[in-house]
Amino acid sequence: GEDVEQSLFLSVREGDSSVINCTYTDSSSTYLYWYKQEPGAGLQLLTYIFSNMDMKQDQRLTVLLNKKDKHLSLRIADTQTGDSAIYFCAVESGGSYIPTFGRGTSLIVHP
Amino acid sequence: GAGVSQTPSNKVTEKGKYVELRCDPISGHTALYWYRQSLGQGPEFLIYFQGTGAADDSGLPNDRFFAVRPEGSVSTLKIQRTERGDSAVYLCASSLGQGGYNEQFFGPGTRLTVL
Repeated sequence: GEDVEQSLFLSVREGDSSVINCTYTDSSSTYLYWYKQEPGAGLQLLTYIFSNMDMKQDQRLTVLLNKKDKHLSLRIADTQTGDSAIYFCAVESGGSYIPTFGRGTSLIVHP
Repeated sequence: GAGVSQTPSNKVTEKGKYVELRCDPISGHTALYWYRQSLGQGPEFLIYFQGTGAADDSGLPNDRFFAVRPEGSVSTLKIQRTERGDSAVYLCASSLGQGGYNEQFFGPGTRLTVL
């Protein structure tokens, strides 16, 4: 089955850019998602990218997809303290509507 | 109107007891998903309903776990003979349906603690 890996922690200074990385194994991936989870809250979909795209931009968020290397990244520009949360990469593979989630990257933004 | 709701928000039980966790999806969403999230892990798929039927229950860890959705809206996840290893946050999500891009909306979860 699909295996999704993320680094566990990222610490950045307020105002800097954050880049969260994710790798996956199944080359038949279709949709790839980034979710945000704040303490005590459910997961919130931030953005997604379809596998025939290599980049998607949405305000401060930029998603890059390298299908050859099976690598997905989320860049947050001008990171704010309110961006502190756990970010999950999730990959949906061909034929399944069930995404496989990574373990999450805990983003800490300090002043 | 409201998003996905889950009750109770917290459940503490003793080993060997039976528990039921409830999920109220967004009105009109035909697809409903249950996930389990252990500490420090991402959500792990348990079961997916399309309407009233379980379209995929391959994630249920064993036969102590069962879920129903009798009228195609509210769903109940049932766990028999609970074990300490069942302690986790149980997440429910709903979506409009399958096919193509299909955003899942998550509830806040039920934190289950088995003593």
